[in-house]
Amino acid sequence: AQSVTQLDSQVPVFEEAPVELRCNYSSSVSVYLFWYVQYPNQGLQLLLKYLSGSTLVKGINGFEAEFNKSQTSFHLRKPSVHISDTAEYFCAVRISIQGAQKLVFGQGTRLTINP
Amino acid sequence: DGGITQSPKYLFRKEGQNVTLSCEQNLNHDAMYWYRQDPGQGLRLIYYSQIVNDFQKGDIAEGYSVSREKKESFPLTVTSAQKNPTAFYLCASRDRGGKPQHFGDGTRLSIL
Repeated sequence: AQSVTQLDSQVPVFEEAPVELRCNYSSSVSVYLFWYVQYPNQGLQLLLKYLSGSTLVKGINGFEAEFNKSQTSFHLRKPSVHISDTAEYFCAVRISIQGAQKLVFGQGTRLTINP
Repeated sequence: DGGITQSPKYLFRKEGQNVTLSCEQNLNHDAMYWYRQDPGQGLRLIYYSQIVNDFQKGDIAEGYSVSREKKESFPLTVTSAQKNPTAFYLCASRDRGGKPQHFGDGTRLSIL
């Protein structure tokens, strides 16, 4: 079964510091990967996606992620974080079952930015 | 503006009662999804629907029911058979092809 593992449940960093949120997946077929952000008491907002092509994907709010097939990873990075980046971040892989597309989510990483 | 509307934002249920969560989208998306979110567990799929009048069980469908009578609406009923219904419920929709899912702002359900 395909799965997603986010290695850190919480990541505290100081404002303007770089951050990396780790995500590993297991899949035996073509991989489509996503990062979503969730602010308190809100839904999920798409940060970026990897469907094919360049392994370095740029998203909104200055985030980027790199698809690494050999390490089955899709880590999210930002060179300099802001207080407003405090949120929960979810990595997800899209799977297809009997023609239906579904997302399998990781457990989430809570990013806390300290001044 | 197009989007997904979930209502109410907060919902309280007494033990033994059924309760229905609303999800409406004006994005003209074919597929719709319901997820349950618990702390530290990410999102788990309850039900999904690819077209009107058709839906399938997700990973945790027990104690829930859905209907898809209209393209824009996908209500979720939490029945009394769901023994631990307290959670944050998220609805999503997706266009055809490889488009990503769009999410509503969620409904937080609590048991009185």
